[in-house]
Amino acid sequence: AQTVTQSQPEMSVQEAETVTLSCTYDTSESDYYLFWYKQPPSRQMILVIRQEAYKQQNATENRFSVNFQKAAKSFSLKISDSQLGDAAMYFCAYNGEIQGAQKLVFGQGTRLTINP
Amino acid sequence: DTGVSQDPRHKITKRGQNVTFRCDPISEHNRLYWYRQTLGQGPEFLTYFQNEAQLEKSRLLSDRFSAERPKGSFSTLEIQRTEQGDSAMYLCASSSNGLAGGSYEQYFGPGTRLTVT
Repeated sequence: AQTVTQSQPEMSVQEAETVTLSCTYDTSESDYYLFWYKQPPSRQMILVIRQEAYKQQNATENRFSVNFQKAAKSFSLKISDSQLGDAAMYFCAYNGEIQGAQKLVFGQGTRLTINP
Repeated sequence: DTGVSQDPRHKITKRGQNVTFRCDPISEHNRLYWYRQTLGQGPEFLTYFQNEAQLEKSRLLSDRFSAERPKGSFSTLEIQRTEQGDSAMYLCASSSNGLAGGSYEQYFGPGTRLTVT
């Protein structure tokens, strides 16, 4: 079974600085998808960024980028120019490309605090 | 596109009572998922529908839990004889099957927070 591990329960960063959230995963599959989701306090889960395992190029969405290391099974999220609105729980998630089994497997989450 | 909606947003019930939650997915999405999230944890998969067919169920989904999606549109999740351990946020998500150019990402609803007293 696939597992996802986020080893940083909490992180904090000064506004306008850069922070990196870590995620590792375990799988025997060769093709899959990885996601970072953001869950603000008392608000719904929002997709931040996705990465297809067959793509070597790291995904980027505005201030958010990933460092995908397939051999190391590592998938970190970098947030540049941190803003107060970035404060949230961040979840790394794995989606295996198995027909009929498109469930997401989530990590435990990292609570990100932005200090003004 | 109004997004995924869930009803109710909050439910308080006494142990032993039955509860039912509803999820309305994004209209063009044929896949629908239920997850459970306890405080401070990531969501855990419960079950998944493609159209009206329930294709996978987690071992977390005990016999007291049942989910339906009768017409391939909205879905209901029922918990019978609730226990205090059922207290959690129940999240619904939907996606397309990724074919015909559709996005396969899962979009989440706001959740139903269940408290069993």
